[in-house]
Amino acid sequence: DTGVSQNPRHKITKRGQNVTFRCDPISEHNRLYWYRQTLGQGPEFLTYFQNEAQLEKSRLLSDRFSAERPKGSFSTLEIQRTEQGDSAMYLCASSDDTGGNQPQHFGDGTRLSIL
Amino acid sequence: GQNIDQPTEMTATEGAIVQINCTYQTSGFNGLFWYQQHAGEAPTFLSYNVLDGLEEKGRFSSFLSRSKGYSYLLLKELQMKDSASYLCAGRSYGNNRLAFGKGNQVVVIP
Repeated sequence: DTGVSQNPRHKITKRGQNVTFRCDPISEHNRLYWYRQTLGQGPEFLTYFQNEAQLEKSRLLSDRFSAERPKGSFSTLEIQRTEQGDSAMYLCASSDDTGGNQPQHFGDGTRLSIL
Repeated sequence: GQNIDQPTEMTATEGAIVQINCTYQTSGFNGLFWYQQHAGEAPTFLSYNVLDGLEEKGRFSSFLSRSKGYSYLLLKELQMKDSASYLCAGRSYGNNRLAFGKGNQVVVIP
């Protein structure tokens, strides 16, 4: 069990550029989540996948944001035409669906800075 | 919807006990989770309550009262490495998202 892996760890880009982040969940976990966290705040839910199906999306996920999990394993989160307000830590988490309320296990996140 | 409220910061001495409170308003409550987060690192799962009462895990215990919409995390025998933010998160029936509070920053001093 290598834990949830995210890359890159840091991304600095100019406003208006597109960025893509990757998340590799714990291998046996079929549930995958994306959250966003800004300084001094708790993580805010963005979206959730069960296997390859995207089952929940937050209103925070504007049309500039898109997430995929094509084979039910790794996931990507893309932000198009980045804005300064997109600067945040983007966290990925995974869990399995056995036995009820399994905890979500988080990766170390990708810190996005928009210049 | 969900509304999670936590106080923001506290300082405690090594070896002491500290209690971190969390109040929530969640429709269709389906569990409350506690996470620890060191600066720049991932949140790490600590404990989970869905029924009223106390759950004990070594130096950490978590309590839940569903009727009061209240939970606390108890940290005993504080160590310097316990300096971190402690996040509570609620979950509702029918969805899988966690709604987090802002977190409570605990600073442990010698």
